Amino acid sequence: SQKIEQNSEALNIQEGKTATLTCNYTNYSPAYLQWYRQDPGRGPVFLLLIRENEKEKRKERLKVTFDTTLKQSLFHITASQPADSATYLCALVYNAGNMLTFGGGTRLMVKP
Amino acid sequence: NAGVTQTPKFQVLKTGQSMTLQCAQDMNHEYMSWYRQDPGMGLRLIHYSVGAGITDQGEVPNGYNVSRSTTEDFPLRLLSAAPSQTSVYFCASNPDGGGRTQYFGPGTRLLVL
Repeated sequence: SQKIEQNSEALNIQEGKTATLTCNYTNYSPAYLQWYRQDPGRGPVFLLLIRENEKEKRKERLKVTFDTTLKQSLFHITASQPADSATYLCALVYNAGNMLTFGGGTRLMVKP
Repeated sequence: NAGVTQTPKFQVLKTGQSMTLQCAQDMNHEYMSWYRQDPGMGLRLIHYSVGAGITDQGEVPNGYNVSRSTTEDFPLRLLSAAPSQTSVYFCASNPDGGGRTQYFGPGTRLLVL
């Protein structure tokens, strides 16, 4: 069966450092991979989308990589700030783009 | 634009009761979907719709019904609530398919006793 794994343990880092979150998947050949941010009590908010033929995507302090050989995506936040503290979800698109499967999310805590 | 709205924000049901979770969007999006989120399990797709009159099952459709009579509305019905349906429910929409950016509503927290 299809499976997406994100580190369920919280990631604690110091302000100013780079946070790196991992998303691994099995039994997929996704066309797209997306990353979302979710704050407590709120719905997820889209951050970045990367296609299978793209290796890297950047948006301001965010960078996403997509390695279809390793079946892994890395999500980086550079110069992290306490306001970046949230849960980050990765999601894969399959079934001709009509279905989106999410990982369990990783909670990031940035300490001042 | 209000975006994606959901009502109610919180609901308590007794086992066997029925209810409808409302979802509406004002962005003229064709694609809408319902997810449930449980601790440690991420978001799981319940049902989705690619346009008015068209719905399909997601990963966890049992116990839920949907219909899509208009582009704007996509209600989720629980016919006979069970404690296993205690969860947070999110509705999402996007212009043209699951592979695009999903716009999520604020969620409905449901407790089934």
